[in-house]
Amino acid sequence: ELKVEQNPLFLSMQEGKNYTIYCNYSTTSDRLYWYRQDPGKSLESLFVLLSNGAVKQEGRLMASLDTKARLSTLHITAAVHDLSATYFCAVDIGGGADGLTFGKGTHLIIQP
Amino acid sequence: GAVVSQHPSWVICKSGTSVKIECRSLDFQATTMFWYRQFPKQSLMLMATSNEGSKATYEQGVEKDKFLINHASLTLSTLTVTSAHPEDSSFYICSASDGRGYEQYFGPGTRLTVT
Repeated sequence: ELKVEQNPLFLSMQEGKNYTIYCNYSTTSDRLYWYRQDPGKSLESLFVLLSNGAVKQEGRLMASLDTKARLSTLHITAAVHDLSATYFCAVDIGGGADGLTFGKGTHLIIQP
Repeated sequence: GAVVSQHPSWVICKSGTSVKIECRSLDFQATTMFWYRQFPKQSLMLMATSNEGSKATYEQGVEKDKFLINHASLTLSTLTVTSAHPEDSSFYICSASDGRGYEQYFGPGTRLTVT
């Protein structure tokens, strides 16, 4: 059974600081997704990582994937209040034919 | 592009009644659609996978007779919660894949409250 573990599950930080969210998964996969969810809303796709060593950046967020370690990271640089949300990583082991297995999510609060 | 809609966005129903939720891909053909359930402050859990014209594949622990899924066309999948009970109250989110890439496109979700 595929397990996806995120940590931390809750993070409160100050604006301007940097931090990293970690996502470990238990089964070989070459598709790793990061999503953002605002309260009461559905998911917003942030990144799709498709190969070992993949790194993607958008604004203050940067995601990376190490398939050998089965680890992905989401790094936040110089956090701003607008980044407050819940962040989920998800893994696809079915080549797109199966659904995604999600981590428990990281509830991020960025204080002004 | 790649827009998925859900209808209704929220619904309140009485215990024992059935409710149908629609998931539509508006600008692409969805060969596969997925249904997820999210309880408050929890993660998304995959309920079932449906392919157009085929029976849905349900995840372990999901009652197929209670959660009826129909994927009758390449742009529409429906989830019917039969004989709903308060414990079925949840946020139901669908996603769709065009089968050609790696993206799953998520709908806006349907919040179901069973009283």
